[in-house]
Amino acid sequence: QQQVKQSPQSLIVQKGGISIINCAYENTAFDYFPWYQQFPGKGPALLIAIRPDVSEKKEGRFTISFNKSAKQFSLHIMDSQPGDSATYFCAASSLGRYIPTFGRGTSLIVHP
Amino acid sequence: KAGVTQTPRYLIKTRGQQVTLSCSPISGHRSVSWYQQTPGQGLQFLFEYFSETQRNKGNFPGRFSGRQFSNSRSEMNVSTLELGDSALYLCASSLDEDQPQHFGDGTRLSIL
Repeated sequence: QQQVKQSPQSLIVQKGGISIINCAYENTAFDYFPWYQQFPGKGPALLIAIRPDVSEKKEGRFTISFNKSAKQFSLHIMDSQPGDSATYFCAASSLGRYIPTFGRGTSLIVHP
Repeated sequence: KAGVTQTPRYLIKTRGQQVTLSCSPISGHRSVSWYQQTPGQGLQFLFEYFSETQRNKGNFPGRFSGRQFSNSRSEMNVSTLELGDSALYLCASSLDEDQPQHFGDGTRLSIL
């Protein structure tokens, strides 16, 4: 049972464009939603995370939007750069049981 | 501060053998989790150790086991290797269960 559904599977964006990756979850007990960035040959690195008490969190060019009623959250990468080309994973977990459930990942390619 | 260190980085085994992977967490981190990453299944949680005790366990067969030492270093063992065990095995550490996880770069295990 896939508890976190991530889309799209792959995404191609031009430099300077906006990259948008979406995730949907089923378990209403989830209350922590991190995004990870993974480059080839490297482990995932925490990029940004949000808790459901806020609807949006921004860190530099990266923004998480959260819709609790729809059980959806998304990652927006503004002014996308070729260096952003990587695989992005969303995840969800519940307080007290941090072990996250991951989405299947989105391969992002930003063309110069 | 050194990151999560996993050894070896690459490993080739044959079916039926067993293998032990090692993980050194970030200094001060007491929670260590293990994940299997494959193109087909994505990131799947194996187990989590805290203070030498297995605290959480994923849905993997008993051939997959682990342990944690008093210095928080952890090992993962896979017995009777199968072709399907070929994957990137990732270790992640955190201060505790409700703190963000930091991943190592993984051990690439190939089964021939």
